[in-house]
Amino acid sequence: EPEVTQTPSHQVTQMGQEVILRCVPISNHLYFYWYRQILGQKVEFLVSFYNNEISEKSEIFDDQFSVERPDGSNFTLKIRSTKLEDSAMYFCASSEGVLAASTDTQYFGPGTRLTVL
Amino acid sequence: AQSVAQPEDQVNVAEGNPLTVKCTYSVSGNPYLFWYVQYPNRGLQFLLKYITGDNLVKGSYGFEAEFNKSQTSFHLKKPSALVSDSALYFCAVRDLSGGYNKLIFGAGTRLAVHP
Repeated sequence: EPEVTQTPSHQVTQMGQEVILRCVPISNHLYFYWYRQILGQKVEFLVSFYNNEISEKSEIFDDQFSVERPDGSNFTLKIRSTKLEDSAMYFCASSEGVLAASTDTQYFGPGTRLTVL
Repeated sequence: AQSVAQPEDQVNVAEGNPLTVKCTYSVSGNPYLFWYVQYPNRGLQFLLKYITGDNLVKGSYGFEAEFNKSQTSFHLKKPSALVSDSALYFCAVRDLSGGYNKLIFGAGTRLAVHP
């Protein structure tokens, strides 16, 4: 069964450093997403991406964040200058996007745990 | 604003007994509702969704959920719990106020099934 994969599973970085989190969505999917879950808190939407551009983003997704689909398979989240409060589990997801996006099922990867020291 | 609430932090069930994990929602318009499960060190796995049609939705691993419009609820159920069902369960609703892309999640309910 096709799955969303994410690398690395755990990333430790120093405050102020740049990190890139990588995701390989399910191959025939057209919509891509990033969510995050700070320890003990709810899963929160960050951004959605369709047709090589951001289709929606949350207030959390400020200028420190960017997303990219550098090739036909990878989808990345970059945090330019990490802060302590960026420590969280980051989930990538994808959906087919063939019918209405509102009814699509989003399939999630296993997550990358980011620890900012 | 769209939201979901999971009123129980934890649910304890004996193996073989029926289980219910509760979810209530608040949306403007028609709700698109989802249940996901998270096992340790795994991502969120899709269980089932309600878009329209029958109020009883069947999903993966023997789970089902009942949509109740008058009570604005979407409770997850299983007739006979297994120890392997022990995990963290999330209810989510599609946010229709923006670009229709965002899922809004509840806080999660930890299900513990005891032998």
